Amino acid sequence: SQQGEEDPQALSIQEGENATMNCSYKTSINNLQWYRQNSGRGLVHLILIRSNEREKHSGRLRVTLDTSKKSSSLLITASRAADTASYFCATDGSGNTPLVFGKGTRLSVIA
Amino acid sequence: DAMVIQNPRYQVTQFGKPVTLSCSQTLNHNVMYWYQQKSSQAPKLLFHYYDKDFNNEADTPDNFQSRRPNTSFCFLDIRSPGLGDAAMYLCATNPRVVDQPQHFGDGTRLSIL
Repeated sequence: SQQGEEDPQALSIQEGENATMNCSYKTSINNLQWYRQNSGRGLVHLILIRSNEREKHSGRLRVTLDTSKKSSSLLITASRAADTASYFCATDGSGNTPLVFGKGTRLSVIA
Repeated sequence: DAMVIQNPRYQVTQFGKPVTLSCSQTLNHNVMYWYQQKSSQAPKLLFHYYDKDFNNEADTPDNFQSRRPNTSFCFLDIRSPGLGDAAMYLCATNPRVVDQPQHFGDGTRLSIL
């Protein structure tokens, strides 16, 4: 069953602006992951945040996790046209349960 | 340096004609997954292997089968493709270590005539 839900479904911004995407989930997790997917390609892992972490950075990416609200956000700073893609959150639950992906946010960065 | 390789990238088949999609990995990961992804939707897990142990999702149609002859290769067989099976099929791997991400191939886009 679908667990992660991204918000917004689509986002269009100008190059240089920041982009924020949100993800909500329903059950307890071990970690939450963000993936990027360019059109017609596979998913690429961006960042993983563990359930005991609150914030993580990687280059221009900043991810936060609030387990009390069961939500996460992905911030891309100083966006570039090359950041245009779909972004998915995925939750990793306990045991050997596979990842559950959200519906994704389609980001368009206009040069 | 491709680590998860899917062949072919594009596959066209006829309604009802069996088709096989392939995936290979150079990562030596224990776990391999097959996902179906339709336009503007999230990937939907069809099944996965922990080593040779096969795990089928409850809502995966019987029309879909999989084989994993060895660690490196995994196949998705669609026995009688219908128009609704047109989609992108993604293969992914994972080392079955806690807090490790999945590694995806670039997918095979399947079209049904």
